[in-house]
Amino acid sequence: GAVVSQHPSWVICKSGTSVKIECRSLDFQATTMFWYRQFPKQSLMLMATSNEGSKATYEQGVEKDKFLINHASLTLSTLTVTSAHPEDSSFYICSVPRQGSYEQYFGPGTRLTVT
Amino acid sequence: AQSVTQLDSQVPVFEEAPVELRCNYSSSVSVYLFWYVQYPNQGLQLLLKYLSGSTLVKGINGFEAEFNKSQTSFHLRKPSVHISDTAEYFCAVSAGNQGGKLIFGQGTELSVKP
Repeated sequence: GAVVSQHPSWVICKSGTSVKIECRSLDFQATTMFWYRQFPKQSLMLMATSNEGSKATYEQGVEKDKFLINHASLTLSTLTVTSAHPEDSSFYICSVPRQGSYEQYFGPGTRLTVT
Repeated sequence: AQSVTQLDSQVPVFEEAPVELRCNYSSSVSVYLFWYVQYPNQGLQLLLKYLSGSTLVKGINGFEAEFNKSQTSFHLRKPSVHISDTAEYFCAVSAGNQGGKLIFGQGTELSVKP
């Protein structure tokens, strides 16, 4: 069964609005989760590391005020795209590393379309 | 810093033929290597991983990969592909001192034709 879930699986929003995406670890607790974005026909780009109990760590070039990350609990991280614009349309994927292992489990992804 | 290069953006192949998807990496530290598969509009599924030990790694769905440290390569192979193997394949690297962060290659689209 699924180890990581994401909600919603797809969302359409109007330009200027904010959208929240949830990532849940179903099988184990996670102090760290990762957020990636993927444009059509392209690879995954790491956006940020979500850290339970502290601020997220953003990769270079990612606007932290636009992509708000909250690691609400040991099983939940949320990504909020604030004041979304059409260029934010993308596939957002989270992953959860299993502690003590270098393996990561990926969520099914969230397709965001900003009109 | 680490980087990953997948040498082929698209690989068309006929059903039951062998296939090799190429991956080269660069890193100044020891790395862990992975191959993931992505079907349309889905997340990623782990095919196989190299952490240490034997350089020939066997994964799911009949795939295998060989870690070659001298050539900094981790090519993915399958002796006989099926139509259902049509998907996007990603090679990824993680350095031991990076907290598990994965750096992905550009992806290779495998298209299996009947």
